[in-house]
Amino acid sequence: SQQGEEDPQALSIQEGENATMNCSYKTSINNLQWYRQNSGRGLVHLILIRSNEREKHSGRLRVTLDTSKKSSSLLITASRAADTASYFCATDAGAGKSTFGDGTTLTVKP
Amino acid sequence: DAGVIQSPRHEVTEMGQEVTLRCKPISGHNSLFWYRQTMMRGLELLIYFNNNVPIDDSGMPEDRFSAKMPNASFSTLKIQPSEPRDSAVYFCASSRRLAGSYNEQFFGPGTRLTVL
Repeated sequence: SQQGEEDPQALSIQEGENATMNCSYKTSINNLQWYRQNSGRGLVHLILIRSNEREKHSGRLRVTLDTSKKSSSLLITASRAADTASYFCATDAGAGKSTFGDGTTLTVKP
Repeated sequence: DAGVIQSPRHEVTEMGQEVTLRCKPISGHNSLFWYRQTMMRGLELLIYFNNNVPIDDSGMPEDRFSAKMPNASFSTLKIQPSEPRDSAVYFCASSRRLAGSYNEQFFGPGTRLTVL
């Protein structure tokens, strides 16, 4: 099974609301990344958090990492219709590759 | 920078035919990844190269799949013979990997393959 599993599978909110997505993984990691995929496009890197970091911010994005629980969350504040996409977490366990989860599909209604 | 370039963008072929997907990574990147994405299985890593050398091909589904990277600016993924269950979107991604660190992966637009 995938190393990273996102929760929920789908999320629908109104524009202006906050969106929170969670990711759980199974083994120790060096870092965890979040990617966004718009429909019909490739994935785009959003943010990386290293295993010794607990929280990271980038614009309207806030990522947390709890290595004791093997989980991470991605918070998008003040969501916009343009944030509608699928969001994936990916874990790097040091083997030179990242393992992607199944993704959360976010719909932001205008 | 043009980003990762993949061709073709769409491919429709018949079962049993050979399919070749192409990828040009971003100049200066030394790692290249091939992924397959389907609704049922999500995003799967098929194979990745570091400095043109295949490092991990454990994700390649079977012998019908092969990948090459003859130089730093070109890679191919070949399926021979193709089967309907190979229908998926195939992504190529590249990154500039430095020892002991991680660099983000840049994805191409994907090739949507349909095998009839």
